[in-house]
Amino acid sequence: GIQVEQSPPDLILQEGANSTLRCNFSDSVNNLQWFHQNPWGQLINLFYIPSGTKQNGRLSATTVATERYSLLYISSSQTTDSGVYFCAVASSNTGKLIFGQGTTLQVKP
Amino acid sequence: GAVVSQHPSWVICKSGTSVKIECRSLDFQATTMFWYRQFPKKSLMLMATSNEGSKATYEQGVEKDKFLINHASLTLSTLTVTSAHPEDSSFYICSAGDTFSYEQYFGPGTRLTVT
Repeated sequence: GIQVEQSPPDLILQEGANSTLRCNFSDSVNNLQWFHQNPWGQLINLFYIPSGTKQNGRLSATTVATERYSLLYISSSQTTDSGVYFCAVASSNTGKLIFGQGTTLQVKP
Repeated sequence: GAVVSQHPSWVICKSGTSVKIECRSLDFQATTMFWYRQFPKKSLMLMATSNEGSKATYEQGVEKDKFLINHASLTLSTLTVTSAHPEDSSFYICSAGDTFSYEQYFGPGTRLTVT
């Protein structure tokens, strides 16, 4: 099945810094989503982005489907951005999402 | 965006008993829902695909007799953990997508503790 790799596994930032999270996948996809998991476990949808570029406030994402990777940019990070960021992909019409191992982000004040 | 709810949010049960977890799509219909399991500090692992009006499809290594899934309507799927044991303790999360895109929306999760 499709493999999903996220990097880095852990990231520590000072408040106000920018960061880039990466997601590599091993096959063509028809769905790619970025999530933020909050301390209570809820997965927050950040982006649905099987291709192209999207922006939402301080967050933006780019997926280059032909090269099988996606990037999540966080600008001017805040302490509330802390948590785990997951990339998940689906490569068939079943809709089944396969998750990467996540990036744990800690933003220090 | 679409809203998915789960009930209960947490449950503690004794070894040998069964526990039912509900997943509802509140503002859309979902012919397919998905059940995931997450261990502490780990990623989400897909357990099964819940299909409205038909049998669930389980991922390799997931015991279908242990984790019973019923998708009785277009807005409700249930996961029953039968004869629970401490190793079944975990965080269970469901997801659903509308029929117009592949985007999935996740419920808030259910934390199960088996004593």
